[in-house]
Amino acid sequence: DTGVSQDPRHKITKRGQNVTFRCDPISEHNRLYWYRQTLGQGPEFLTYFQNEAQLEKSRLLSDRFSAERPKGSFSTLEIQRTEQGDSAMYLCASSLAGQPQHFGDGTRLSIL
Amino acid sequence: GENVEQHPSTLSVQEGDSAVIKCTYSDSASNYFPWYKQELGKRPQLIIDIRSNVGEKKDQRIAVTLNKTAKHFSLHITETQPEDSAVYFCAASSTFIFGSGTRLSVKP
Repeated sequence: DTGVSQDPRHKITKRGQNVTFRCDPISEHNRLYWYRQTLGQGPEFLTYFQNEAQLEKSRLLSDRFSAERPKGSFSTLEIQRTEQGDSAMYLCASSLAGQPQHFGDGTRLSIL
Repeated sequence: GENVEQHPSTLSVQEGDSAVIKCTYSDSASNYFPWYKQELGKRPQLIIDIRSNVGEKKDQRIAVTLNKTAKHFSLHITETQPEDSAVYFCAASSTFIFGSGTRLSVKP
């Protein structure tokens, strides 16, 4: 069990560019979650998948954000036309249904 | 929608003292309440959790209590040690809404 892995660990990009992050969950976990965390705050829920189905998406989530989990394994989170306010740590977590979430180390996004 | 409030935002204790962090939630359908510890620059890690069918759970120096009627739950750390210093987050299950965190500092 290698845990939840996220790639890249850091991403620096210019405002207006698109970015994509990848999350590889623990292999037997059917649920995968994306969160955003800014300094001094708790993780903010973005969306989650059960297998390949996206079951819930935060109402606060801009339509510039999209997530996929095409084969029910790894997931990608894309942010289009990035803005300064998108700078944050993006955390991925996975779990079995009804069980605790296991977090990855996150991708830190910095928008110049 | 679901809301989770966490208090206090910062907590400083002397080594060996106890620390208590409290959370309240709004969605009565929530039935699972985990607590996470996050050290600076690291991932949140689950330290203890409780389900709605029990009122208390203990694991060595850490315990969690749940009052479903009042919709609040608390984390108790006894005999605190400097390595307990971190940010602690509570969460409520329905859509995993997290509290805003408590920065615990344990002074040697």
